[in-house]
Order: sequence, then C-alpha cells, then structure tokens
Amino acid sequence: QVQLQESGPGLVKPSETLSLTCTVSGGSITSSYYNWDWIRQPPGKGLEWIGSFYYSGSTYYNPSLKSRVTISADTSKNQFSLMLSSVTAADTAVFYCARHWLWLPYDAFDIWGQGIMVTVSS
Amino acid sequence: QSVLTQPPSASGTPGQRVTISCSGSRSNIGSNTVNWYQQLPGTAPKLLIYSNDQRPSGVPDRFSGSKSGTSASLAISGLQSEDEADYYCAAWDDTLNGVVFGGGTKLTVL
Repeated sequence: QVQLQESGPGLVKPSETLSLTCTVSGGSITSSYYNWDWIRQPPGKGLEWIGSFYYSGSTYYNPSLKSRVTISADTSKNQFSLMLSSVTAADTAVFYCARHWLWLPYDAFDIWGQGIMVTVSS
Repeated sequence: QSVLTQPPSASGTPGQRVTISCSGSRSNIGSNTVNWYQQLPGTAPKLLIYSNDQRPSGVPDRFSGSKSGTSASLAISGLQSEDEADYYCAAWDDTLNGVVFGGGTKLTVL
C-alpha cells in the first residue's frame, strides 16, 4: 500500500525559500505510470496545484508560480521535493504531496499525503 | 478566481439527492476527464470520482459523476451526515499545461 508523507519546517521567514520533502513508501517514484505532485491549500481556501514531476526529469509547473518553483527527486531515497523561493505571507498554506496518474486525457491524484502546514512569518 | 466554477455551498437533508456542478472551458473539461475530490474536515482530500464517472474501490455507489461538453456534475443520493465535506472538481488544462481545480463546494447536511 503506497503512502506519502510530507516533511519540512513549519515556519519560514518572508523572502526565504520554502523547502519540503515527500517520502514515498510502498511504491517507487521511478514507476513509469505516475507523476509526483505538490498541491497547496491556504487556510480556509481551496486547492491550488503547484507542479508535477516525472522520474525521467520532466516537470510541469503552475504558470502563476513557475518563476519560484522547483520540484526534484532523490530516487535513492524514494523522495521528491518542493522548493518555493521568495515566499510571502500569501504562501502560507497546507502543502500536500500526491501521486498523479497522468495519461491524458485521463488523470487523477489517487493517493495524497496527510499535508503539512507551513506559515510564512518573521 | 478559480479556472473551474463551482457553487460555494450546497445543502440537503438526510436521504435526499444533491448535485454539485462544475463549469469549465474547452481547454480543460472540454478536452480532458474530470475528477472529484472529497475533503472531510481537517483531513487531506480523497479521490471520489475519476475519469468523469468512475468510482475508486471503496467509494459507495451513492456517489456518481457525469460530464457533458464543458460542464460536469457530482450527484450524491441517499445523503448521509458523514457526507458533510468540501467537494472539489479538477481537470487537466491543455492551455495552462497543468491541473486546474474548482473553488470547492461546502456541502451541509441539515
């Protein structure tokens, strides 16, 4: 049974870089069937897709965040990571990692991590 | 402002049937399949419907999805108190080259 677990600091200072890691257990991030994604949810608000990583190295990013986002992976640790630079209070959110089955026109986030709250504040 | 449009709220009494709409455009719902996610209070979202109308294993058949053109709907029949949650539609957008979500619908069971 595949499980995802987010980890990282819960507090980041404005203008700094937010860095989170998602550890995947019970399955491999080098599977050819899945992408590995980050999604966030500001307090009291809806879901926002951040970006997607495929083990070959290809990535997709939300155009509104593209200039600040990097998603990468460490296949030896079966982990993938999110870096979001130049953060502001508007980046305060619960961040989720998710497994993304992506075979257009079909796709779905079929497994989610529990989420990690990250607050941007000095 | 979300790319996909959902009503912010919906409600029903136990046993009733409720529907939640999701409106998009040709580049997202019109070209790709729609998924629905259920988010119970304080928890991570869970895949409820995929590929417009398919239920993952374990999802009761009280939940059903449909799509027509650039719109989709989620229907919940035999409403139960445990269905009280936020519901989100989502689809891949060919223009943005990424996933777009609806703003979410908060379902209240009266």
